[in-house]
Amino acid sequence: DIQMTQSPSSLSASVGDRLTITCRASQNINTYLNWYQHKPGEAPKVLIYAASNLQNGVPSRFIGSGSGTEFTLTISSLQPEDFATYYCQQTYSIPPGTFGQGTKVEIK
Amino acid sequence: QVHLQESGPGLVKPSETLSLTCTVSGGSISTYYWSWIRQPPGKGLEWIGSIYHSGNTNYNPSLTSRVTISVDTSKNQFSLRLNSMTAADSAIYYCARGRASGSYRVFDFWGQGTLVTVSS
Repeated sequence: DIQMTQSPSSLSASVGDRLTITCRASQNINTYLNWYQHKPGEAPKVLIYAASNLQNGVPSRFIGSGSGTEFTLTISSLQPEDFATYYCQQTYSIPPGTFGQGTKVEIK
Repeated sequence: QVHLQESGPGLVKPSETLSLTCTVSGGSISTYYWSWIRQPPGKGLEWIGSIYHSGNTNYNPSLTSRVTISVDTSKNQFSLRLNSMTAADSAIYYCARGRASGSYRVFDFWGQGTLVTVSS
């Protein structure tokens, strides 16, 4: 099974900060990697698919990059509505798709 | 806009079977693929299984002996059955739509989730 490991598991940041979350796969998954944002009580929301493609309607401050085994999600300027938990998901293996354990972004 | 809504019991007794339904509005269930995902308290997301418009299903290997996903196109709904429930199955259960673009797949619409607790 492909294991997905996110780091850090949580972080504190301020509005306007640039932050980066890392997701590592236990084997090469090419660019079969999605990023989701999840707020308590809400439906999870896809931000990035296929490693670097911005989902329609998602602000351009969310940037995905990487391939192979290492991927990053960068928020270029953190906004108040961005405080949430972020998950990566691999879709290389069929059937889909293991999620990372999540990174909780909290207000400093 | 596609909207998904989970429904079902919030409390299930140990050893019983969980039955959840996801109602899809704003789009046809006859295209795309449809999935169930859960999140135990304090833990991350776990994919349970998916059903494709062909009717084919795929399940998480750790659950495959206990899970069934089915679709009712006349009602634009799909359902989850998970038998032999234990406390470890307590979780928020989400339904989601899967979209495939070539070989790339993503869950692009999700329900808000329904909390299921297993307790006598």
